[in-house]
Amino acid sequence: QQQVKQSPQSLIVQKGGISIINCAYENTAFDYFPWYQQFPGKGPALLIAIRPDVSEKKEGRFTISFNKSAKQFSLHIMDSQPGDSATYFCALGEDKLVFGAGTILRVKS
Amino acid sequence: ETGVTQSPTHLIKTRGQQVTLRCSSQSGHNTVSWYQQALGQGPQFIFQYYREEENGRGNFPPRFSGLQFPNYSSELNVNALELDDSALYLCASSTDQNQPQHFGDGTRLSIL
Repeated sequence: QQQVKQSPQSLIVQKGGISIINCAYENTAFDYFPWYQQFPGKGPALLIAIRPDVSEKKEGRFTISFNKSAKQFSLHIMDSQPGDSATYFCALGEDKLVFGAGTILRVKS
Repeated sequence: ETGVTQSPTHLIKTRGQQVTLRCSSQSGHNTVSWYQQALGQGPQFIFQYYREEENGRGNFPPRFSGLQFPNYSSELNVNALELDDSALYLCASSTDQNQPQHFGDGTRLSIL
């Protein structure tokens, strides 16, 4: 059973545009919702995370929006850059992570 | 740099063999978790060690086993290798349980 569903599978965005990736989850026991960024040949790196007591968190160009009632959260990358091209994973939990299937983002220059 | 180092970076084995993968945790981190990442998929949690004891396990058979040493380095052992075990194996460490994890760059295991 898939505990977290991530969409889209892939995304192409023009430089300067907004990239949006969505995740939906089932288990409400989790209280930490991170996003990881993974470049080819590298391990995932924590990008930004949110707890369910807030609806939005912003760090630089990266924003998480969280909808507790809908059990959904999303990552917004503002002013997307070619260097943002990577695979992005949403996850549930701080450790013993449950990962989404990933979104391959390509930012065209 | 996360400070989590894994060895080897690549490994080729044949079906039925056994393999040991190693992880050196970031300094001060007493918790280590292992994940399997098949090609094109998200990582899947294998198990976690906290202060040398197994502290949670995902949906993996007993032929996947591990160890954590007093210096908090760790090993993942896989017996009776199967073709489906081909994947990137990731180690992640954290300062304690329920703390954000820092991943190494993984070991790419190929089973022929």
